[in-house]
Amino acid sequence: GIQVEQSPPDLILQEGANSTLRCNFSDSVNNLQWFHQNPWGQLINLFYIPSGTKQNGRLSATTVATERYSLLYISSSQTTDSGVYFCAVFKAAGNKLTFGGGTRVLVKP
Amino acid sequence: GAVVSQHPSRVICKSGTSVKIECRSLDFQATTMFWYRQFPKQSLMLMATSNEGSKATYEQGVEKDKFLINHASLTLSTLTVTSAHPEDSSFYICSARVLAGQNEQFFGPGTRLTVL
Repeated sequence: GIQVEQSPPDLILQEGANSTLRCNFSDSVNNLQWFHQNPWGQLINLFYIPSGTKQNGRLSATTVATERYSLLYISSSQTTDSGVYFCAVFKAAGNKLTFGGGTRVLVKP
Repeated sequence: GAVVSQHPSRVICKSGTSVKIECRSLDFQATTMFWYRQFPKQSLMLMATSNEGSKATYEQGVEKDKFLINHASLTLSTLTVTSAHPEDSSFYICSARVLAGQNEQFFGPGTRLTVL
């Protein structure tokens, strides 16, 4: 099956810093989603981004489908950005999302 | 965005009892719902795919007789953990795929199950 790898596994940031999270996948996909899992366990949809670039406030994402990777940018990080960020890819043949291992982010005040 | 609810959010039960978890799509219809399990500091593991009006499809290694899934309507799927044991303690999360559109999935808030 398709493999999804996220890097780095852990990230500690000072409030106000910028960061880039990466998601590599091993096969062509039909779509890709980025999620933020908050400390209570809720997964929040950040981006649905099979290709191209999208921005939402301080967050933006870029997916280069031909090169099989996606990037999530966090700018001017805040303590509320802490949590785990997951990318997940969907391939129609498998009819399911495959998750990466996540990047655990801690933003310190 | 689409909203998915789960109930209960937390349950503690004795070993040997059965526990039912409900997953509802509140503002959209979902032909397909999914059940995941998450252990501490790990990623989500898909347990089964639930299609409205048909039998669920279970992932390899997931016991279908232990984790009973029913998807009776376009807005409700249930997961019943039968004869629960301490090793079934985990965080269970459901998700739903929008009926028509781009295959985007939305997740419920999760249910933390503790089996004593």
